[in-house]
Amino acid sequence: DGGITQSPKYLFRKEGQNVTLSCEQNLNHDAMYWYRQDPGQGLRLIYYSQIVNDFQKGDIAEGYSVSREKKESFPLTVTSAQKNPTAFYLCASSIDPDEWYEQYFGPGTRLTVT
Amino acid sequence: AQKITQTQPGMFVQEKEAVTLDCTYDTSDPSYGLFWYKQPSSGEMIFLIYQGSYDQQNATEGRYSLNFQKARKSANLVISASQLGDSAMYFCAMREGLSSTGNQFYFGTGTSLTVIP
Repeated sequence: DGGITQSPKYLFRKEGQNVTLSCEQNLNHDAMYWYRQDPGQGLRLIYYSQIVNDFQKGDIAEGYSVSREKKESFPLTVTSAQKNPTAFYLCASSIDPDEWYEQYFGPGTRLTVT
Repeated sequence: AQKITQTQPGMFVQEKEAVTLDCTYDTSDPSYGLFWYKQPSSGEMIFLIYQGSYDQQNATEGRYSLNFQKARKSANLVISASQLGDSAMYFCAMREGLSSTGNQFYFGTGTSLTVIP
């Protein structure tokens, strides 16, 4: 079945460590996105990518980095520079960024940093 | 200014009744799309319905319909015949014109819906 996978579902790290969240899609979608969700809040865009080897910062990119070496994969690294990394992270994709398609979401990764 | 505003943090509805979740948006772009998503407690976001700014008719998808009032910049979600499985967070989102920079979806803060048996 086609879809978006994010692993792991729960992730625990010590403060000061970088951590990479995985996002893979087999939908052949061009665009991919990373969002952060804090309790009781909506989604805030971290980074997005419309094509391979290209990505743009969203509203809260500081302390995060991404890569898009393959169409199917868009990993997010939460660096030690991110002051409040504990949150729920959602990856999404859409078919064609130039058309009015909805975003498909993965199941999310809940990151806890202590 | 907030692009998407959802003013109802929490709503309750009796099973089998209809409920309206409010959403207002702010954009100066004549071309935009409006989306509603459902987020159950598991966390995954589920797409429900889409309305384009140039669509003449309100969108409908099964028990979901979108009450689109362009002049008032509102895009309320109506859920008919509520079911217990409808209990979840609901998010309104907007994407501005395809020529705009950003290719971003803007999300509201969500409304928590509880269906009472």
